[in-house]
Amino acid sequence: GNSVTQMEGPVTLSEEAFLTINCTYTATGYPSLFWYVQYPGEGLQLLLKATKADDKGSNKGFEATYRKETTSFHLEKGSVQVSDSAVYFCALRNSGNTPLVFGKGTRLSVIA
Amino acid sequence: DSGVTQTPKHLITATGQRVTLRCSPRSGDLSVYWYQQSLDQGLQFLIQYYNGEERAKGNILERFSAQQFPDLHSELNLSSLELGDSALYFCASSVGAGGSNYNEQFFGPGTRLTVL
Repeated sequence: GNSVTQMEGPVTLSEEAFLTINCTYTATGYPSLFWYVQYPGEGLQLLLKATKADDKGSNKGFEATYRKETTSFHLEKGSVQVSDSAVYFCALRNSGNTPLVFGKGTRLSVIA
Repeated sequence: DSGVTQTPKHLITATGQRVTLRCSPRSGDLSVYWYQQSLDQGLQFLIQYYNGEERAKGNILERFSAQQFPDLHSELNLSSLELGDSALYFCASSVGAGGSNYNEQFFGPGTRLTVL
């Protein structure tokens, strides 16, 4: 079946530090991969996506590259801000009418 | 603001009771999805409706049911509630039903259900 594993949190960083949140997946076929962000008290928002191998998704300084050989989609940001404090979810969606499958989420806290 | 609204924001009830959660999708969106977010299970897909018809089913218990009305709003009914049903319930909407092209899902703020 399809599954997503992401690093356990919480992750606490100082402002301007480098961020990596690891995500690996198991899927049949060729899934699309996503990162969603959930700010306190809000629903999930799509942060970035990649639909095929070697694609790089990017948004708001965040990047993730679809690595088929390692079945990974790690989220990175070069310099985090306090406003990036949130819970980050890695997700996949296989082709056809299949629902999103989410990882358990990683809570990021950025301190000034 | 995603444009997806959910009511109520918080719900506190007792075991054995029944509750209804309501979701209004973004204007123009035909698909509605329900998800349950709990500490132990994470974020799990429950069910999807497209233009009034059930489209996909996930890990939805038999005690739970949903429907989508002609005005496209959706309701999730939870009955014979147990302590373990306490969770955040999200609704999301998208333009289409899915298929080969990704239809971005826009999430509402959620309804927090507490079963005592």
